[in-house]
Amino acid sequence: QKEVEQDPGPLSVPEGAIVSLNCTYSNSAFQYFMWYRQYSRKGPELLMYTYSSGNKEDGRFTAQVDKSSKYISLFIRDSQPSDSATYLCAWGPEAGKSTFGDGTTLTVKP
Amino acid sequence: NAGVTQTPKFQVLKTGQSMTLQCAQDMNHEYMSWYRQDPGMGLRLIHYSVGAGITDQGEVPNGYNVSRSTTEDFPLRLLSAAPSQTSVYFCASSPATGLANYGYTFGSGTRLTVV
Repeated sequence: QKEVEQDPGPLSVPEGAIVSLNCTYSNSAFQYFMWYRQYSRKGPELLMYTYSSGNKEDGRFTAQVDKSSKYISLFIRDSQPSDSATYLCAWGPEAGKSTFGDGTTLTVKP
Repeated sequence: NAGVTQTPKFQVLKTGQSMTLQCAQDMNHEYMSWYRQDPGMGLRLIHYSVGAGITDQGEVPNGYNVSRSTTEDFPLRLLSAAPSQTSVYFCASSPATGLANYGYTFGSGTRLTVV
């Protein structure tokens, strides 16, 4: 079993939709969680990071961690075509050694 | 700032050849890592370093060597290329302190094909 399992997708939504991207993890020691966005043929870029349980909001993006169910989510409000990318969840209990999910590819259609 | 710079961007190797993928960062980050990305398999950690002179193995280290003689540079060496090493390679760095130390800055990647 992988330490981080990510909903595989792909996901296609109309512009303006609310998008929910989800991951589950198996190790209860995980504390720091990150979301990365990767455009085609580019390197991943850090989108958001959260610590422990709770929500963190940044503009149209909200990251949510539920430690009781070992579930992490990324919500995108008012999705735009420019949000079309692959989204990777990750956890980092130790710097230099993050573990990544396999990614969910999102397409936002105009 | 350039961030994390990887060279070359593309490379084709013959089976058995060796080569070095270069990675340099100008952010004075202590931590640096190498990942490979294959379709359907996400990012897998090859080797990582927590500072100059210190390296350790990740999930898939076989066939690769690293060294870290300076804070800025973290080259990845393929000893004897095999077709299974065809992949996209990413170098990443992060600072050692604060919550941000768990977030990477990635390079733009090296696309390697071994024939």
